[in-house]
Amino acid sequence: QLQLQESGPGLMKPSETLSLTCTVSGGSISSNYYYWAWIRQPPGKGLEWIGNIYYSGITYYNPSLKSRVTIFVDTSKNQFSLKLSSVTAADTAVYYCARYYTGNSRDDGFDIWGQGTMVTVSS
Amino acid sequence: DIQMTQSPSSLSASVGDRVTITCRASQGITIDLGWYQQKPGRAPKRLIYAAYTLQSGVPSRFSGSGSGTEFTLTISSLQPEDFATYYCLQYNSYPLTFGGGTKVEIK
Repeated sequence: QLQLQESGPGLMKPSETLSLTCTVSGGSISSNYYYWAWIRQPPGKGLEWIGNIYYSGITYYNPSLKSRVTIFVDTSKNQFSLKLSSVTAADTAVYYCARYYTGNSRDDGFDIWGQGTMVTVSS
Repeated sequence: DIQMTQSPSSLSASVGDRVTITCRASQGITIDLGWYQQKPGRAPKRLIYAAYTLQSGVPSRFSGSGSGTEFTLTISSLQPEDFATYYCLQYNSYPLTFGGGTKVEIK
């Protein structure tokens, strides 16, 4: 059964660059029809999509974060990663990685999620 | 960007009640809409995709309807394990956007 696990620092200082990695186990990241995604959720608030990446490197980003975000994939390690530059307190959130299916039958969506990792930005 | 407006933001209901949550898209998205359930401290779980198709393993008391700009999630008979926050997600076009969420609380 495919599983996702986020890893990265829990505490950061303003202006630093956040780096998170999602390790995919129980399946290959190089699968057709699946993108790999980052989603975040500030404490007590709703979900915000950050971006998707395909194993070939095709990416889609949220325009609100695009200037600060990079998502990349390492197929040899079955991992994908998020970098978010110049963080502020507003970037404090639980960060989830997820698998995003995109097919031909309008059945797209996030079907598998990691457990999430809390990132706090504080001086 | 397509904005997703979800209502209500919260509701109180009793076990056995019928509950309806609405999501409105700022422009037509055909049926490219999913519903997700999130319990405290847990990752979201997909309930419905393509507006009305139930994810495998999801109880039949959950149902979805709608197309274009208006969508609803209905729980026909609320169970104790259904108290959670529900989100809609549009995937008609990038950027993918979630609704603001509906918290279903115990009355």
